[in-house]
Amino acid sequence: TQLLEQSPQFLSIQEGENLTVYCNSSSVFSSLQWYRQEPGEGPVLLVTVVTGGEVKKLKRLTFQFGDARKDSSLHITAAQPGDTGLYLCAGAVSGSARQLTFGSGTQLTVLP
Amino acid sequence: NAGVTQTPKFQVLKTGQSMTLQCAQDMNHEYMSWYRQDPGMGLRLIHYSVGAGITDQGEVPNGYNVSRSTTEDFPLRLLSAAPSQTSVYFCASSRTPSDAGANVLTFGAGSRLTVL
Repeated sequence: TQLLEQSPQFLSIQEGENLTVYCNSSSVFSSLQWYRQEPGEGPVLLVTVVTGGEVKKLKRLTFQFGDARKDSSLHITAAQPGDTGLYLCAGAVSGSARQLTFGSGTQLTVLP
Repeated sequence: NAGVTQTPKFQVLKTGQSMTLQCAQDMNHEYMSWYRQDPGMGLRLIHYSVGAGITDQGEVPNGYNVSRSTTEDFPLRLLSAAPSQTSVYFCASSRTPSDAGANVLTFGAGSRLTVL
């Protein structure tokens, strides 16, 4: 059983559409991160959220950390083909900062 | 501008063979870790180290050994490879993680291992 559940697992959309990816858990996290991974490469950090209710924006990407620090979402506005990739959420349970747990990922394909 | 360097990038082994995946970082990071990535499973932590001479087990440590003799290097050893160890392996490093701040990882490009 995954500590962090991501949905959807696969998402294929047309350029210009909006989308939301979810990361959910029954555990409370001291921090949560989002990474993006392209084929043949390692994941690259997009954002870190540490405060319940926190919202961070990175150009067309909006990240939100749930009030109870058990869930997070990633919203992309007007998706572009360059957004294509595997999006991974990762969290550290309080007292276990050394063991970062990853979700199973959302494979996003943005069609031109 | 190297960051985290992993070698080899690709490797094919026969069941029972041994090998070492190399990982080196040049950012003076205290924390280093190994993950494996399998389809639909995300990344799972194998072993990690918070400094030279200190290692600990992650979620899936069986069949793997590690050591940390220097700050820069963190090799992963497979003593007797099994087909279940076919995967993509990622090494990652960070400054010493604490609950006061997030453990932000810098990843290598990965090593794809196939065990026949």
